[in-house]
Amino acid sequence: DGGITQSPKYLFRKEGQNVTLSCEQNLNHDAMYWYRQDPGQGLRLIYYSQIVNDFQKGDIAEGYSVSREKKESFPLTVTSAQKNPTAFYLCASSIGAGKRMAFFGQGTRLTVV
Amino acid sequence: GQQVMQIPQYQHVQEGEDFTTYCNSSTTLSNIQWYKQRPGGHPVFLIQLVKSGEVKKQKRLTFQFGEAKKNSSLHITATQTTDVGTYFCAGLNNQGGKLIFGQGTELSVKP
Repeated sequence: DGGITQSPKYLFRKEGQNVTLSCEQNLNHDAMYWYRQDPGQGLRLIYYSQIVNDFQKGDIAEGYSVSREKKESFPLTVTSAQKNPTAFYLCASSIGAGKRMAFFGQGTRLTVV
Repeated sequence: GQQVMQIPQYQHVQEGEDFTTYCNSSTTLSNIQWYKQRPGGHPVFLIQLVKSGEVKKQKRLTFQFGEAKKNSSLHITATQTTDVGTYFCAGLNNQGGKLIFGQGTELSVKP
């Protein structure tokens, strides 16, 4: 089945540790996105990539880093510089950047203790 | 930067009542998309509007895109308990690439 997969579903990390969230898609989509969701704040764009080996900062990129070495993969690293990393992280992909519907992964709920 | 504002944040209705959520952008949009997120789930695409003044219907759901392509609305007629969830609008700016989501409207339906 085609789709977009995020792993793990739940992730716990100690404060001060970097952590990488996985996002893989087999839909042959060019564009991929990372969003952060907090209660009452909707989805906020962290980073997006319109093509392999290229990505742009979203509205809340500070404390995060990404890479897009392969079309299928867009991992997100939450660094120790992120002040409040506990959140629900959603990865999405689309055929053309924003031009068509975005497919979302199941999300990763990150808790930093 | 570009902002997409959505109101209301919460809406509680009795089953059978109508529901409307509104979306406003600070800039002109290339398109507007609507998503639904069930409690505990992830956003699922509902529809995309591209043309100025466009109106689309999906059964009890009616979607509108404003003439200036800066606002949009989603109207649900005669809500059902299966409509429960958070409805998000998302706009693509004219520069392309950035798909910006509104804050969402959380709908609860009392049977």
